[in-house]
Amino acid sequence: DMKVTQMPRYLIKRMGENVLLECGQDMSHETMYWYRQDPGLGLQLIYISYDVDSNSEGDIPKGYRVSRKKREHFSLILDSAKTNQTSVYFCASSLANQAPLFGEGTRLSVL
Amino acid sequence: AQKVTQTQTSISVVEKTTVTMDCVYETRDSSYFLFWYKQTASGEIVFLIRQDSYKKENATVGHYSLNFQKPKSSIGLIITATQIEDSAVYFCAMREDMSGSFNKLTFGAGTRLAVCP
Repeated sequence: DMKVTQMPRYLIKRMGENVLLECGQDMSHETMYWYRQDPGLGLQLIYISYDVDSNSEGDIPKGYRVSRKKREHFSLILDSAKTNQTSVYFCASSLANQAPLFGEGTRLSVL
Repeated sequence: AQKVTQTQTSISVVEKTTVTMDCVYETRDSSYFLFWYKQTASGEIVFLIRQDSYKKENATVGHYSLNFQKPKSSIGLIITATQIEDSAVYFCAMREDMSGSFNKLTFGAGTRLAVCP
């Protein structure tokens, strides 16, 4: 069953704490994405990964970093989270030129 | 830089009618891919239909079809015989093929569709 899995689904953190969002897929997709979604702004690309250790910044990378040590796993890290990073984060994956498949999202609240 | 614009914030239609949602895009590439996604009330984002820029024929999948007008950089989504379950937010997205931003998928802000009985 083709699926992108995100963990955790819900997370509450205090300002200044570190945050780790995890994403997995078992389809051997080369490309993986991290997006954030805020009301009225659609989906904004944070980072894109083309394969293991081959990552590129998206449109809003500031305050985030990523890690991809295995093709099936892509992590988003917030070092010292800020309140304006409260959002819903989506991971997606795809083969080249195919429509990306999205995970269910992680709702992050930074207090 | 690529840009995708959906000017309709929300649309309301009566069940079983046809609705069109607009989307315009900006790109310098001659080759690109256009996608429409649906986000349900639960937050799930589902791929609906795509149009490759080099194809002249409009894509159709089930009761979804596209109105691709390349000279106008426009890709409209048409839903025929709408159902209550079509109520959702619809996103248009574009991916360029040739530029340095290979595989980067850019989304519009979305259009909220309400289908009423």
